[in-house]
Parts: sequence; C-alpha cells; structure tokens
Amino acid sequence: DAKTTQPTSMDCAEGRAANLPCNHSTISGNEYVYWYRQIHSQGPQYIIHGLKNNETNEMASLIITEDRKSSTLILPHATLRDTAVYYCIVRVHGNQFYFGTGTSLTVIP
Amino acid sequence: NAGVMQNPRHLVRRRGQEARLRCSPMKGHSHVYWYRQLPEEGLKFMVYLQKENIIDESGMPKERFSAEFPKEGPSILRIQQVVRGDSAAYFCASSLDRENYGYTFGSGTRLTVV
Repeated sequence: DAKTTQPTSMDCAEGRAANLPCNHSTISGNEYVYWYRQIHSQGPQYIIHGLKNNETNEMASLIITEDRKSSTLILPHATLRDTAVYYCIVRVHGNQFYFGTGTSLTVIP
Repeated sequence: NAGVMQNPRHLVRRRGQEARLRCSPMKGHSHVYWYRQLPEEGLKFMVYLQKENIIDESGMPKERFSAEFPKEGPSILRIQQVVRGDSAAYFCASSLDRENYGYTFGSGTRLTVV
C-alpha cells in the first residue's frame, strides 16, 4: 500500500473548520484513501473513505485532488472532542490497514 | 448492538508470566485483526484471523506470541514469558468480510509488564 505523509501536529480554534492534509503521491488506481482518528487511550475510530470523488458524511468531508496524489479531511465545525490523532491511510480493499504516525490535532477553546 | 469487546481493559503481569487477551467481535463479524501500540508510537498490525484460521500473521513476533479465533468464543492473543518490551496497548478490530470498508476497533487492553 502507498505511503502517506501528514503534518505532525495542527491546532484549530473551536467552532472553525479543521483542514487536515495528506500527501499520497505514489497512490495506485485501486487504492482507497481512508481516515481514522484515535482519541487519547481509545481504539481508532473510522471517519470516512473515498476513491476518486469527494465524500461527505455526518462526521467529515473528504476532498481528493483530481490526480489523487493528495487529500484533505475537513471537520466543518471543530469541537474540543475532536482533539485526537488523525490517520490518513491508503489501502487496497482486502489488505490490512497500516497506520503511520498521523496528525495530532488540538482544538483550542 | 454491542461493539468490539476486549477484556481485560488493564492487565499487569510479572516478567516471565503469560498474558491472555480476549476479543469478542461485533455480532455477525467473522474477521478479527490484532494491533499493538507501543507508548508514543502508532498502531502496528500483528495478525488477521477468520474463524478457526490465521489468514495473515506477518506482523506477529516470531516467538512467544500466538493468536487463535475458535469456532466458538472470543479471539485470544497469547503472549508467553512476557518481557518489559511487551508493555503496550493491544487493540482488536473486526469486520464483516475481507473486502471491507473499515474496521471497528475495541477499546484495547493495556498490558503492563513489571
């Protein structure tokens, strides 16, 4: 599975949109982009995934560039409970999920 | 609809003892995955099991670690003769099938070796 690059940490003001970038320049055509998050001491939580098109659910939006070499996870109105480590993973269906070091997002009151 | 249940939540073992970690997948899920998270590190894949079969154990240490998922009952991750370096959080996840769109993770077992 392709490797991803994420910033180590980010801050976001409460109530504002949090935009978390991810680079995956070596992604192949059958690899999906997934986002998980891990709130301190808890198990990872699935957020969203996509292949080519932008996706939105009740938690977040996923914007994938046309060349698929990068993507952005958007939390539209960040709350304190969104403070967590966010993992961007690219994966072929059927393979395991390999977690990197992720982005530590801190939502500031 | 209960999620993935792991027990115990916390486990303390002395060096040389055995640790047994249990994972009950979500109802209807027959695929189980174990991950380990060392302090201040990301999650590392260990093993993937389907009922009564080990499908992928590429992340399992070659010695002292074993996993099973019997026809009846929870999946068990067993660590024999624990050492301090085994201290970590162990997470289990389950899925409905292999061509899945996401795993559901449990809350983990925190193993401390003293």
